[in-house]
Amino acid sequence: DADVTQTPRNRITKTGKRIMLECSQTKGHDRMYWYRQDPGLGLRLIYYSFDVKDINKGEISDGYSVSRQAQAKFSLSLESAIPNQTALYFCATSEQAGGSKRDTQYFGPGTRLTVL
Amino acid sequence: GEDVEQSLFLSVREGDSSVINCTYTDSSSTYLYWYKQEPGAGLQLLTYIFSNMDMKQDQRLTVLLNKKDKHLSLRIADTQTGDSAIYFCAEITSSNTGKLIFGQGTTLQVKP
Repeated sequence: DADVTQTPRNRITKTGKRIMLECSQTKGHDRMYWYRQDPGLGLRLIYYSFDVKDINKGEISDGYSVSRQAQAKFSLSLESAIPNQTALYFCATSEQAGGSKRDTQYFGPGTRLTVL
Repeated sequence: GEDVEQSLFLSVREGDSSVINCTYTDSSSTYLYWYKQEPGAGLQLLTYIFSNMDMKQDQRLTVLLNKKDKHLSLRIADTQTGDSAIYFCAEITSSNTGKLIFGQGTTLQVKP
């Protein structure tokens, strides 16, 4: 079974709709992250959370919000989707963050979101 | 600022060696990573190297780190068609809070 799962795997929606992408992990990690991938741009960080009470904006947080419902669950919401939010979205987890091997991030399979 | 650069495309013949290169700007990098993304799939951690190492070998994979030039490379020996994928290099620095800085990804095409 996968350690990091994302639902849905694919989603097509219309401009203005509210969308929630969900991420669950069984690795027991405290840190969770949301990234988006666009062709030729690599991955860019949207939000990250170091524990249930600690949520931080990444480099491209505008238009997104997150909720850390439990240690194992981290959701990403698009309150009013727009076409330039069409992308591949990845959730990741890590044991810790501070310059050690335990910073290593493990990724989910991704959610492909299309906003028409 | 933090920046990671990769060339976008590499084509090799099956059986040859592939070398994927990456440069980074932040000298406080602690760990550097190589991730593989196969078509339609997520990111798979291939290997990583700590910044006080020059080289790390893992079966067909060899990672070389030149800290002076801020240059990282991934060599894949005896490249197979199953190695066709996008390869991302990424760094974590001691100055940030665990944020991974990714390169744009190098698409490796392996021709039979």
